[in-house]
Amino acid sequence: NAGVTQTPKFRVLKTGQSMTLLCAQDMNHEYMYWYRQDPGMGLRLIHYSVGEGTTAKGEVPDGYNVSRLKKQNFLLGLESAAPSQTSVYFCASSPGLAGTDTQYFGPGTRLTVL
Amino acid sequence: AQKVTQAQTEISVVEKEDVTLDCVYETRDTTYYLFWYKQPPSGELVFLIRRNSFDEQNEISGRYSWNFQKSTSSFNFTITASQVVDSAVYFCALSLNTNAGKSTFGDGTTLTVKP
Repeated sequence: NAGVTQTPKFRVLKTGQSMTLLCAQDMNHEYMYWYRQDPGMGLRLIHYSVGEGTTAKGEVPDGYNVSRLKKQNFLLGLESAAPSQTSVYFCASSPGLAGTDTQYFGPGTRLTVL
Repeated sequence: AQKVTQAQTEISVVEKEDVTLDCVYETRDTTYYLFWYKQPPSGELVFLIRRNSFDEQNEISGRYSWNFQKSTSSFNFTITASQVVDSAVYFCALSLNTNAGKSTFGDGTTLTVKP
């Protein structure tokens, strides 16, 4: 039982490049979330999913897209990376509503956009 | 809109001292959930506690204790007899039952425990 895993752990991009971050969970959780953490700040929600095939915008969705084609995977895409997207990205999953269930976090992906 | 404020940006204590991390939240909902997470230097997020708005009982877990007071909208976290391994960033978070469970995080308090 690996819990929540994220791929890759580190990535450096040039402005304008694209990439996809992969989040996988093996706990059969319905809900999945993508957050970003900037220095000196807490986590801010980018997008989330309440089930396979569904996605919704969070607090800071601009510049990102997501897909949840399979229940266990939640992909975060950057179509044209910008320096402002330099951050640490965390994925999380929960059995149900995060308010009633604990969120389980992945180890994070450190992304630098030059 | 909901908001979480952790007014203490950084705290430094000497080992064995007690330390309290403050968390003040804002929400108009009557049903909500409060969390504390620990983020050690390695970067992962470690869940510490979840508390719902209907349960104001204080909780103790080893050297950790939490004081939830709805009257002051606070959910403070105390570490007794701090240890160097407690050095980390601690986040308080708020989730609403009516908002797909999305969590709002405070900006975190960096705790440094010196030997």
